[in-house]
Amino acid sequence: GAGVSQSPSNKVTEKGKDVELRCDPISGHTALYWYRQRLGQGLEFLIYFQGNSAPDKSGLPSDRFSAERTGESVSTLTIQRTQQEDSAVYLCASSLDGVLDEQFFGPGTRLTVL
Amino acid sequence: KNQVEQSPQSLIILEGKNCTLQCNYTVSPFSNLRWYKQDTGRGPVSLTIMTFSENTKSNGRYTATLDADTKQSSLHITASQLSDSASYICVVSRNSGNTPLVFGKGTRLSVIA
Repeated sequence: GAGVSQSPSNKVTEKGKDVELRCDPISGHTALYWYRQRLGQGLEFLIYFQGNSAPDKSGLPSDRFSAERTGESVSTLTIQRTQQEDSAVYLCASSLDGVLDEQFFGPGTRLTVL
Repeated sequence: KNQVEQSPQSLIILEGKNCTLQCNYTVSPFSNLRWYKQDTGRGPVSLTIMTFSENTKSNGRYTATLDADTKQSSLHITASQLSDSASYICVVSRNSGNTPLVFGKGTRLSVIA
């Protein structure tokens, strides 16, 4: 079966524009996670979905960031009014049931804000 | 504070040599600890997972150890290959509360010929 897929793979945008990043988890995985990884840095947790609800939004860095998940499947991460410090790789992962299960990561979306 | 510290930050070794990466954590309540390998430009891939009662787990040339008393883990790579060049990330899962997963910043390993 297919792994976690993300699109686009690369996104270049101008400061102030909104961007949407998409994640398609492994079919049947109920948990989905978004992370941010700045160049040369570790993974930074953003948000976690169990089904379509997000019990943990503690990592969202500001109100410019939002995420939703529909049909217990695809998720979109939206960044409004992008800033240069938003430049990073945004990684999505899914796991079968919950946070204690192994996470399978997608290839990431590299976002560059000019 | 729940933290995962990894050392060294980076490491360069010759092909064929062994190396050991360290992970110290202050995470509670502890559930499990995973080591991930992240190739450049790719998402992390799980290598091993250990629960509280497990001391050692191997996956090919990778052997992870866990000392739950001292809250330390290590990842030992035997007979390194050029393809082992990657970042190795230690991740500790908590049993409850927010921030269920605590990530280390990783060790960047370069294996050279």
